[in-house]
Amino acid sequence: DAGVTQSPTHLIKTRGQQVTLRCSPKSGHDTVSWYQQALGQGPQFIFQYYEEEERQRGNFPDRFSGHQFPNYSSELNVNALLLGDSALYLCASSLEFGGRPGGIQYFGAGTRLSVL
Amino acid sequence: AQKITQTQPGMFVQEKEAVTLDCTYDTSDPSYGLFWYKQPSSGEMIFLIYQGSYDQQNATEGRYSLNFQKARKSANLVISASQLGDSAMYFCAMSPSGGYQKVTFGIGTKLQVIP
Repeated sequence: DAGVTQSPTHLIKTRGQQVTLRCSPKSGHDTVSWYQQALGQGPQFIFQYYEEEERQRGNFPDRFSGHQFPNYSSELNVNALLLGDSALYLCASSLEFGGRPGGIQYFGAGTRLSVL
Repeated sequence: AQKITQTQPGMFVQEKEAVTLDCTYDTSDPSYGLFWYKQPSSGEMIFLIYQGSYDQQNATEGRYSLNFQKARKSANLVISASQLGDSAMYFCAMSPSGGYQKVTFGIGTKLQVIP
């Protein structure tokens, strides 16, 4: 049973560029969430996708956008990159009706983005 | 809004000993889930254990147990018989009930297991 997979594992970009990160959820999961983890911090929620729609968003600017495809995979796009966007980007998948209050999210290994 | 507080930036434990990692939380949601995740240096966030706010029993998963004290809003993780492979960052987290499963994380505790 494949877990959550993310690509690429590492990425180097320069300020002002745009980047796309990809995520395939765990088999059977229908909900994908994205998190940003700066060095020395806990992950911060960016947004969540369910049924191909963004349904909840954290405190991130519109430069951060996403998409969910019919097969539940997802992309995170960041435009006009800033130095402060350098972080580990984690994707998590879960089941909408997982039977437990608050659900359980399973994470991928992340994409480490460096903005120079 | 939900908030997780982890007050131990770093902890040391001798191999084969038990260790407790502290976590307190704050929420106005009547129903929620509490989690612990392990993050090795590779970066992957590994799910360890879950506790529902209405669960009567404290959760256990192998060597991991969650000491849940609802009135004190604490959800401490106990790792028994520590192993060298337990050295990692540990994050306490929570999520409200319902479909909007946004997870709020603490800042983490770095655990180092000493041979």
